[in-house]
Amino acid sequence: GAVVSQHPSRVICKSGTSVKIECRSLDFQATTMFWYRQFPKQSLMLMATSNEGSKATYEQGVEKDKFLINHASLTLSTLTVTSAHPEDSSFYICSATRDSYNEQFFGPGTRLTVL
Amino acid sequence: AQTVTQSQPEMSVQEAETVTLSCTYDTSESDYYLFWYKQPPSRQMILVIRQEAYKQQNATENRFSVNFQKAAKSFSLKISDSQLGDAAMYFCAYRSTGSGGSNYKLTFGKGTLLTVNP
Repeated sequence: GAVVSQHPSRVICKSGTSVKIECRSLDFQATTMFWYRQFPKQSLMLMATSNEGSKATYEQGVEKDKFLINHASLTLSTLTVTSAHPEDSSFYICSATRDSYNEQFFGPGTRLTVL
Repeated sequence: AQTVTQSQPEMSVQEAETVTLSCTYDTSESDYYLFWYKQPPSRQMILVIRQEAYKQQNATENRFSVNFQKAAKSFSLKISDSQLGDAAMYFCAYRSTGSGGSNYKLTFGKGTLLTVNP
């Protein structure tokens, strides 16, 4: 299957700072990428859908000014958590797909801890 | 909007035995995809099996098979000859067949935590 990477795998930051998480499709061009948030022992919650070259579509209840998503190329999407607070601490997962695929390929996730 | 329900928060099985995980869904669409994903302690999401709704034949991948009942909107996963490495959270997911952007969204169930006892 196709490979998706995320960087960093873990990040610890201070409250009030911003953190950027990268999601890369390593061996295919991803027309669409997704960002999920997962709390312990819970399911994945879709935050936003990102299409290359256009603005992300955010799910209801997700603050677009807090979670900035940029899909600048067919292999890279970034999620920036701005002015992070302890309640933003979570596991963030990205996935990627393209028109000819009928499945999403998931990155390994990023654990964010805000102190 | 589509919904996916997994009614078993936790299941356990003895090594080498068979276990079935349940999933039901609600949709008004006639064609769609259904998936089972596995999330081990590493938290990497791994595709276990995929079913296309227009195909009547149940999908099979080695020890994993599904029982797809379209009329009942049921999509259960059977794991045969369970192994210790099968221990994980299992998520059932639904996807529309439309193309482009948000049509590729997955709707996940809440998950079933599977424990495999030696």
